Amino acid sequence: AAGVIQSPRHLIKEKRETATLKCYPIPRHDTVYWYQQGPGQDPQFLISFYEKMQSDKGSIPDRFSAQQFSDYHSELNMSSLELGDSALYFCASSLASRPNYGYTFGSGTRLTVV
Amino acid sequence: KQEVTQIPAALSVPEGENLVLNCSFTDSAIYNLQWFRQDPGKGLTSLLLIQSSQREQTSGRLNASLDKSSGRSTLYIAASQPGDSATYLCAVRRAGANNLFFGTGTRLTVIP
Repeated sequence: AAGVIQSPRHLIKEKRETATLKCYPIPRHDTVYWYQQGPGQDPQFLISFYEKMQSDKGSIPDRFSAQQFSDYHSELNMSSLELGDSALYFCASSLASRPNYGYTFGSGTRLTVV
Repeated sequence: KQEVTQIPAALSVPEGENLVLNCSFTDSAIYNLQWFRQDPGKGLTSLLLIQSSQREQTSGRLNASLDKSSGRSTLYIAASQPGDSATYLCAVRRAGANNLFFGTGTRLTVIP
C-alpha cells in the first residue's frame, strides 16, 4: 500500500540558508500535518492543512511557512535556518471523513544545520 | 493544553517477558489515542488506534487499553523479542482538534 512520502530523506544546510521539505500524502488523504522532533524529544506539532487551507497552527516559527497544493502534496519552507532547527521533520496524512483511521506518518526528513 | 506523560522513560527486560508501558493524559476529552513505534532516527509506525468509545484494541502480541475517565492507556507486549526494542510513543487526539499530542516516549530494550 502507498505510504506517506517525504523528500529529501536527509538535508544539510548552513546557518541562515533556506530549506524546503516536501510531503506526498497517501492518495485520497485530504489532511496533512507537519511535526518537528528534536534530538531526544517527542514530536511537536507545527501546522496542518485540510483541503489546501491551513487548518491548525502549532509551534511553528515565523521563519517557517507551509502550503498544500492542488494535488494535496505539501511543502514546508524554512528560512534563516538556525542551529536549533536541526531535527527530524515528519509529515503525516489522514482522511478527514475517516478520523477513526488515525494518522499515517512518513519516514521523516532529517535536517542538519551547520 | 493536553499534556501526555509516559512512564517509565526507559525499560530493559529479558527476552520472553511480558511488559506494560503506561501513558497518561491530562484532558479526558479525547477523540482517540494512538500508539506508535519509533526505531532510532526513523519514522513513526502506527501500532494500535483506540477510539474514545473503546476500551481496548489487540494486534498480535500487542494489546492496548484505554480508560478515558482516568486519563490512562497501557500498551501490553506479550512474550517480548529483541526485535521489539524501540521507542514507543502514545499520542492523543483531542476532541475538536486535528493534531496529535505526543507523550515523551518509553525506550524499550529487550535483551536476548
